[in-house]
Amino acid sequence: GAGVSQTPSNKVTEKGKYVELRCDPISGHTALYWYRQSLGQGPEFLIYFQGTGAADDSGLPNDRFFAVRPEGSVSTLKIQRTERGDSAVYLCASSFSPPGTGNEKLFFGSGTQLSVL
Amino acid sequence: GNSVTQMEGPVTLSEEAFLTINCTYTATGYPSLFWYVQYPGEGLQLLLKATKADDKGSNKGFEATYRKETTSFHLEKGSVQVSDSAVYFCALSDQGGKLIFGQGTELSVKP
Repeated sequence: GAGVSQTPSNKVTEKGKYVELRCDPISGHTALYWYRQSLGQGPEFLIYFQGTGAADDSGLPNDRFFAVRPEGSVSTLKIQRTERGDSAVYLCASSFSPPGTGNEKLFFGSGTQLSVL
Repeated sequence: GNSVTQMEGPVTLSEEAFLTINCTYTATGYPSLFWYVQYPGEGLQLLLKATKADDKGSNKGFEATYRKETTSFHLEKGSVQVSDSAVYFCALSDQGGKLIFGQGTELSVKP
């Protein structure tokens, strides 16, 4: 497809379980971002990739959260030992221009709704 | 640290009314400023942006002017339509380039 694709659209898991969320960016976009959006709040930055490397992971809340982008395209956000407080919509975005140029336009996916019971 | 503050919603207007959604920011340096919109059932999408002081971003009848002196980037539209009903997010691009969002303002336009 032409847009950013995120799977699954919904994920229900139990406290303590491990989950993986997938993001397929727009072809050719080198920058990829993960955000988390809680109900009634704006998206909160988690991590940014330029190519295969994590250029900024300052938003990851703790070491239970990890993300990879091994071939510079698809990315996976991994959450270990999930907690109820991890419940949120996890958004992925991609951009052709690197950040900081002022020209970046982020294209967002529809998100994965994660519910930890 | 860098932050964005938006007026609280929901904002409810009648069709053809004038819209203002206030946005102020705190940042070091001179960030780029953005408005993103999220229509019901859809992902966030860029509405408009401004990259330096006094720039005006515009799109689909919406406008916002980058005001350095008041650290503001208020969103305006002269005549709203029912189809403008959505959640609007103000955001800035920090020195590292990542976007920092406000909490969002829900707009509901009644016919």
